Amino acid sequence: AQTVTQSQPEMSVQEAETVTLSCTYDTSESDYYLFWYKQPPSRQMILVIRQEAYKQQNATENRFSVNFQKAAKSFSLKISDSQLGDAAMYFCAYRGNTGNQFYFGTGTSLTVIP
Amino acid sequence: DVKVTQSSRYLVKRTGEKVFLECVQDMDHENMFWYRQDPGLGLRLIYFSYDVKMKEKGDIPEGYSVSREKKERFSLILESASTNQTSMYLCASTGQGPYNEQFFGPGTRLTVL
Repeated sequence: AQTVTQSQPEMSVQEAETVTLSCTYDTSESDYYLFWYKQPPSRQMILVIRQEAYKQQNATENRFSVNFQKAAKSFSLKISDSQLGDAAMYFCAYRGNTGNQFYFGTGTSLTVIP
Repeated sequence: DVKVTQSSRYLVKRTGEKVFLECVQDMDHENMFWYRQDPGLGLRLIYFSYDVKMKEKGDIPEGYSVSREKKERFSLILESASTNQTSMYLCASTGQGPYNEQFFGPGTRLTVL
């Protein structure tokens, strides 16, 4: 099975600053999809951003962007101009091109300091 | 607005009780999932279903069973609840095709005394 590793259990960032959350994965597939999800305290998990492995261009969604390094099997999330509402648990996830299963990392808890 | 709903936000049960957790999605998704979320362990897949009456075991199926009689509904059953099943349970659904994201329910925090 594929494995997804988030090596930073906790991170903190000053409001308005930039923070990068790390994610690495292990797979033998050449085509797959990667996702970052956000789970605010006591609230529903929502998608932040996704990346198709066959696309070289890094995905961006407003203040959120990824640094996708396919050869290194690395998929980090950059949050620019951090806001108090960004405080949450962030999960990195992998989905192969075949099959229905998602593989999640253990999460990074992000604190935003006013 | 797409939705995945779960029958309870909080549930307290006693050891040995049979527990039903229900999940409903309104997006006509083929795939539905049950995860367990524990601090430091992330999301672990218990079971998933890719069609009505179809199911596959995930990484930690022991002590659980599932039922999917209708496309929109996926139930998780704890046949005889134990204290080590105290956890947050998340339901999710997704459409066919690897591009599709998972949509999550709000979660059920189950405490087994």
